[in-house]
Amino acid sequence: DAGITQSPRHKVTETGTPVTLRCHQTENHRYMYWYRQDPGHGLRLIHYSYGVKDTDKGEVSDGYSVSRSKTEDFLLTLESATSSQTSVYFCAISGNQGSGELFFGEGSRLTVL
Amino acid sequence: AQSVTQLGSHVSVSEGALVLLRCNYSSSVPPYLFWYVQYPNQGLQLLLKYTSAATLVKGINGFEAEFKKSETSFHLTKPSAHMSDAAEYFCALSIYSSASKIIFGSGTRLSIRP
Repeated sequence: DAGITQSPRHKVTETGTPVTLRCHQTENHRYMYWYRQDPGHGLRLIHYSYGVKDTDKGEVSDGYSVSRSKTEDFLLTLESATSSQTSVYFCAISGNQGSGELFFGEGSRLTVL
Repeated sequence: AQSVTQLGSHVSVSEGALVLLRCNYSSSVPPYLFWYVQYPNQGLQLLLKYTSAATLVKGINGFEAEFKKSETSFHLTKPSAHMSDAAEYFCALSIYSSASKIIFGSGTRLSIRP
């Protein structure tokens, strides 16, 4: 199994508070992604990274920011959480050989009250 | 623009019956196509992938999929369903070999009746 760790796995927070989710990989893979999963929507890309300090927006990036200061860590920040950001968040990584396949973490369930 | 459409949000089959999960895609350039499976409370894992080699692709757990360019389809099949196949299945498309972006379908939940 690919070494991907997401933390926290579960979090309940209140509207307006900042939240940071962490993804840590031990595979030295270049590409890292943050997706959110909601019923009926599949997985939607929030942000992705193609190297240290190199990031780009996905289709649902509003209200989210990311940072990647080290190859192994990719942080997703909700500056001011809203109830619409209640979701399950998945981190994924992709290998350097350009295989086009993703390896996923186990997810972080976020509830915003 | 690229897109992926999975037909049927929920499919139910009897144990031992044929499994058929449908996926159609739209892409202006030759795509790479994938099927992923998600078991409850877990992340997604790759079942199989098409990357422009053989059009019939075999994956894990007895699943296979056939790329049909004329029909823009990439349906997933398994000859005989097993109870352990109950999960959610996602079709996905990539247009860059380096996986800078992958687009997912909305998913199909597969239930298996005893």
